[in-house]
Order: sequence, then structure tokens, then C-alpha cells
Amino acid sequence: GNSVTQMEGPVTLSEEAFLTINCTYTATGYPSLFWYVQYPGEGLQLLLKATKADDKGSNKGFEATYRKETTSFHLEKGSVQVSDSAVYFCALSERQTSYDKVIFGPGTSLSVIP
Amino acid sequence: DVKVTQSSRYLVKRTGEKVFLECVQDMDHENMFWYRQDPGLGLRLIYFSYDVKMKEKGDIPEGYSVSREKKERFSLILESASTNQTSMYLCATLRGGSGTGELFFGEGSRLTVL
Repeated sequence: GNSVTQMEGPVTLSEEAFLTINCTYTATGYPSLFWYVQYPGEGLQLLLKATKADDKGSNKGFEATYRKETTSFHLEKGSVQVSDSAVYFCALSERQTSYDKVIFGPGTSLSVIP
Repeated sequence: DVKVTQSSRYLVKRTGEKVFLECVQDMDHENMFWYRQDPGLGLRLIYFSYDVKMKEKGDIPEGYSVSREKKERFSLILESASTNQTSMYLCATLRGGSGTGELFFGEGSRLTVL
């Protein structure tokens, strides 16, 4: 079945460091790929998405490119801030007969220290 | 903006009690979901609904039931709460229906069963 794998956390970085969070997936079809972020005490919210191969999603300085050949959707940011401290979830969505099936990775906790 | 409201942010219940978690959305989304979130396990799908009075089991439905009498409201029911149901519960709605839509989450309900 479909699945999403993320790098294990927690990840701790200094402010202005470069961030990469790896995400790979297995899917039988052609899913859409997402990164969601959960700030402390809040629900998840969409960070960025890509709906087809080679698409690049971007938002708030974060980027991820849909790589079909390596089945990956790695999240990157060139210079992290303390306010980026959160849990990041990679997810895929694929249309079934009558509903969308969404599968999440386990999440990666990021702490950014001043 | 879509707003997803969960009725209680924090609940404390005793083993064997019946627990209702309510979720209301203010947009016209057909799809609604209940997840539980546990450290190290990410988000696990309990139940979802893609139309009024329709419900489908997710990955971990045991010990739970749901009700969707109106489009905007999706309730999660714990018929007889147990300590292993202590968790964060997240409600979400889905825009789209083509496999490309994003999930919108409520802020979560943290349930403690004593």
C-alpha cells in the first residue's frame, strides 16, 4: 500500500542554518504531495504542495520539489528562524473511487535555537 | 478562510465514560476526517466521511464510532473510554475531491482518560 517515510527527529539547528527534511513515498498511482506544519499548541496547516512530477511547491521560504524518479519530496529552507520551530509532516493524497486518501509521515520535530 | 472548530480543547474523562468530540466546519466541504496524534506515531486516521450520513473506517476505528447527520458537523464518539485512548484528536476537512486538495485542521482536542 501507499506510505510516507520521513527522517527521524528531533532536529535542532541554529538560527540561519540550512534545513533539509527528507521525505520519500511509495504509491501505486500519481499522488499529490504535501508538507504540513504544526506550531506548538495548534492544529496542522498546509505549508506547500505539488501535484505532479517536477512541480516545486514554495511558501514562507520553504521549498520542495516533486521527484518522481526518486519518489521524494524533500523540504528545504536556506535560513531558518526561531519561529520555524514546529513539527513538519510530509503527506500524499491520492484519489480513490469516491474519496481522497491522505497518508501522513510520522512527523519531524524541528527546534531552532538563537 | 475555512474555519474548523472543535468543541473542546481539553477534556478529562474516566474509564468507561462515553465521550463526544464535536467538529464543525463553516465551508461546504464534503469530506471530513478524524485523526489521533500520538508522539512517535504521527497522525492515524480513525474515521472519515465523504458525504452526509456516509462514514468509512480508517486505519484504527476500534473503540470509536462517528456521526454525520449534517454536512457541517462530524462527531467522534468513544462509547466506553479507555486509558489507551488518551491522545490528541484532530478533525480535518478537505477541499477538492481530485486528490489535489489540502486538508484544513481544527486546533485539536486533547483527551485524558483516567
